[in-house]
Amino acid sequence: GNSVTQMEGPVTLSEEAFLTINCTYTATGYPSLFWYVQYPGEGLQLLLKATKADDKGSNKGFEATYRKETTSFHLEKGSVQVSDSAVYFCALRPAAGNKLTFGGGTRVLVKP
Amino acid sequence: GAGVSQSPSNKVTEKGKDVELRCDPISGHTALYWYRQSLGQGLEFLIYFQGNSAPDKSGLPSDRFSAERTGGSVSTLTIQRTQQEDSAVYLCASSLTPGAGGGDTQYFGPGTRLTVL
Repeated sequence: GNSVTQMEGPVTLSEEAFLTINCTYTATGYPSLFWYVQYPGEGLQLLLKATKADDKGSNKGFEATYRKETTSFHLEKGSVQVSDSAVYFCALRPAAGNKLTFGGGTRVLVKP
Repeated sequence: GAGVSQSPSNKVTEKGKDVELRCDPISGHTALYWYRQSLGQGLEFLIYFQGNSAPDKSGLPSDRFSAERTGGSVSTLTIQRTQQEDSAVYLCASSLTPGAGGGDTQYFGPGTRLTVL
């Protein structure tokens, strides 16, 4: 079946540090890949997505590239802010099918 | 409204009682999904509606769980004879028709936090 594995947190960083959250997946064919973010006390928000190999999704300074050869979709941001403190979820939607499969979430805490 | 709405935002119930959770999707979204988020299990898919029919119910954990959607809009998730392990945040999401442009993106509501005492 489909699965998503992402690094466990919490990840604690200082402001302006570089952030990477690793995400790898198992799926047949070419799934669509997503990063969702959950800020404290809020619901899940789509951060970025990529729908085919080598696509790069980007939003709010975050980027992730769909790597078919390594089945990965790592999230990066060059300079984090305190406001980036949240839980980040990697997810896939299979090529055939509609439900999302999520990773376990990575809590990120950015300190001033 | 502009986004997915869910009610109630919080629900506390006693073990053995039935509960109903409501989801109002984004206007024009034909697809509707229920997920739940719990400490032990993370984010799990429950059921998917396309219009009023549910082609994928594979995530419903037991026959105590059911859902319906009427008029291609509002959906209700019902949990009968609630158990403590049902305590979780129940999330609803909606999207355009899967396979259509933009249909792969699901937009989530704020969730209903269910606590079973």
